[in-house]
Amino acid sequence: NAGVTQTPKFQVLKTGQSMTLQCAQDMNHEYMSWYRQDPGMGLRLIHYSVGAGITDQGEVPNGYNVSRSTTEDFPLRLLSAAPSQTSVYFCASNRKGLASSTDTQYFGPGTRLTVL
Amino acid sequence: AQSVTQLDSHVSVSEGTPVLLRCNYSSSYSPSLFWYVQHPNKGLQLLLKYTSAATLVKGINGFEAEFKKSETSFHLTKPSAHMSDAAEYFCVVSETGGFKTIFGAGTRLFVKA
Repeated sequence: NAGVTQTPKFQVLKTGQSMTLQCAQDMNHEYMSWYRQDPGMGLRLIHYSVGAGITDQGEVPNGYNVSRSTTEDFPLRLLSAAPSQTSVYFCASNRKGLASSTDTQYFGPGTRLTVL
Repeated sequence: AQSVTQLDSHVSVSEGTPVLLRCNYSSSYSPSLFWYVQHPNKGLQLLLKYTSAATLVKGINGFEAEFKKSETSFHLTKPSAHMSDAAEYFCVVSETGGFKTIFGAGTRLFVKA
């Protein structure tokens, strides 16, 4: 298993450009989520999905869109990039609710995004 | 509403001495609690999790944490620090049966030789 993969690893955008961060998992997990990590703020949840066709907003959803057409893929779209979106983005997946004693959330390696 | 507070932004210990990283949480429901570690320029790795079973949870690499409901705390400890423990540690809360996770701001652990 490749686990959770993210592409690209690094990206530089100009203000106003759009792009899509890719996330895929091969573990047949129902739950997937996107976080951003900023210094001194931990990870903040952007959007999440509890299954194909179902998405919901997290703590900081503004400026981002998501869709979940398949179980494996959960892309994050930046519609019009802003310098405030400069961050490291992590995708994660888990099989079911995190309260399960047997479940674990797996994180991708991250995408470092800079918006000029 | 859920929240989590990591009481120290930085902790510095000498190699071979105990480690204590403090975490307090707030949750309207019975929470699940986690500790993750992130080494420089790396992803996140789960150290341990509490999900309403035993209050003392043992994790990987000699770490453990104790859930104290009366104190709303979930502090992370290790008896003897190793140089390889130098990293950033995150305390995370998720309401039981739910999905949304709330991360603490992180505690950076420095280990001196």
